[in-house]
Amino acid sequence: GAVVSQHPSRVICKSGTSVKIECRSLDFQATTMFWYRQFPKQSLMLMATSNEGSKATYEQGVEKDKFLINHASLTLSTLTVTSAHPEDSSFYICSAPGRTSGAIEQFFGPGTRLTVL
Amino acid sequence: AQSVSQHNHHVILSEAASLELGCNYSYGGTVNLFWYVQYPGQHLQLLLKYFSGDPLVKGIKGFEAEFIKSKFSFNLRKPSVQWSDTAEYFCAVNARSGGYQKVTFGTGTKLQVIP
Repeated sequence: GAVVSQHPSRVICKSGTSVKIECRSLDFQATTMFWYRQFPKQSLMLMATSNEGSKATYEQGVEKDKFLINHASLTLSTLTVTSAHPEDSSFYICSAPGRTSGAIEQFFGPGTRLTVL
Repeated sequence: AQSVSQHNHHVILSEAASLELGCNYSYGGTVNLFWYVQYPGQHLQLLLKYFSGDPLVKGIKGFEAEFIKSKFSFNLRKPSVQWSDTAEYFCAVNARSGGYQKVTFGTGTKLQVIP
């Protein structure tokens, strides 16, 4: 089946620094990828849709200047958390749509645990 | 906009009890429906999915779900739960929104199975 990877799996940074998270589709191409955030004991919240060759589409309430998304190629999307603060500490997950059995299914990465000190 | 609601936030069952977790969605168009499981400390795993055809779908580990279009529901069931089923379960809807495919998750149901 389709595989999506994320790097790094875990990152700890100081407040005020920026952190880049990569999402790669390993054996298929994705013109769109999705970024989610999951706070402890809560559900996944869609943050933005990453679009290859154009600007990302952000969900309501998500600061586009803080969460920079770049869809550099058909297999890579990056999420950069700029000037990170402790409240940005969360589990960030990406997904990419792929076709299985003639329909579109989302394939999820393993997630990146961000801790901002 | 599409939305997904899971009415049971926390369910506690004894081993061998039957399980049914509710999921309702709101969206007027064609949807693909999913149930995911997240074991403690692990990432999401797909339990089962509905795209079309038979509304009763069977997934891994003995789980099944029934899509009832008239009720906008996709409830998850298992006849006899095991302690290893302790996890959080998320219902999700994949539909077209603003020209793009978009996945919306429910708030999740935490299942605790007591040996």
